[in-house]
Amino acid sequence: EAGVVQSPRYKIIEKKQPVAFWCNPISGHNTLYWYLQNLGQGPELLIRYENEEAVDDSQLPKDRFSAERLKGVDSTLKIQPAELGDSAVYLCASSWGSGNTIYFGEGSWLTVV
Amino acid sequence: DQQVKQNSPSLSVQEGRISILNCDYTNSMFDYFLWYKKYPAEGPTFLISISSIKDKNEDGRFTVFLNKSAKHLSLHIVPSQPGDSAVYFCAASGNTPLVFGKGTRLSVIA
Repeated sequence: EAGVVQSPRYKIIEKKQPVAFWCNPISGHNTLYWYLQNLGQGPELLIRYENEEAVDDSQLPKDRFSAERLKGVDSTLKIQPAELGDSAVYLCASSWGSGNTIYFGEGSWLTVV
Repeated sequence: DQQVKQNSPSLSVQEGRISILNCDYTNSMFDYFLWYKKYPAEGPTFLISISSIKDKNEDGRFTVFLNKSAKHLSLHIVPSQPGDSAVYFCAASGNTPLVFGKGTRLSVIA
């Protein structure tokens, strides 16, 4: 069974440029998460989807970050414009329902220069 | 306000010995606890979990202990192997998305 797939794995962009990350969750998982992981820290939730609905986006900086999950499967996380402080790993994860074990993708590593 | 705390940033253990990783939490509503393992340049991988109705869960070399009164859990790895060298994250939930600790870097020395 395929795990959570993310792309791109690595991205280097100049500040003020836009960037987008894509995620395909484990088949059948209705809950999808985007987490942010800074160096030396644990993952922190940005947004959680139940099917197509964003049910928890309180930690998403909405002035520059946006996310969508069309058709309740794949999801895209966008940053526009990127700032130097956005350099981090963006982790996508999925689960069957909330409160259960979540499974992570390999992450998208962003460097803003 | 950190709800899940891993107070030891790093731990070194000799191969064959026991590794004990600790985690404390503050939210009494947490009822499900997990450990994840992370290698460099990879995403976290689920290792083992425990529900608050239990105080111990075992899976091969890995055992998680939960002390609800102390709001403390620990992960025991016996015997430790060089391949266990990684960062271990404790996570907790209680009808909420998982909250993670900052991780403990385990080094198993051959």
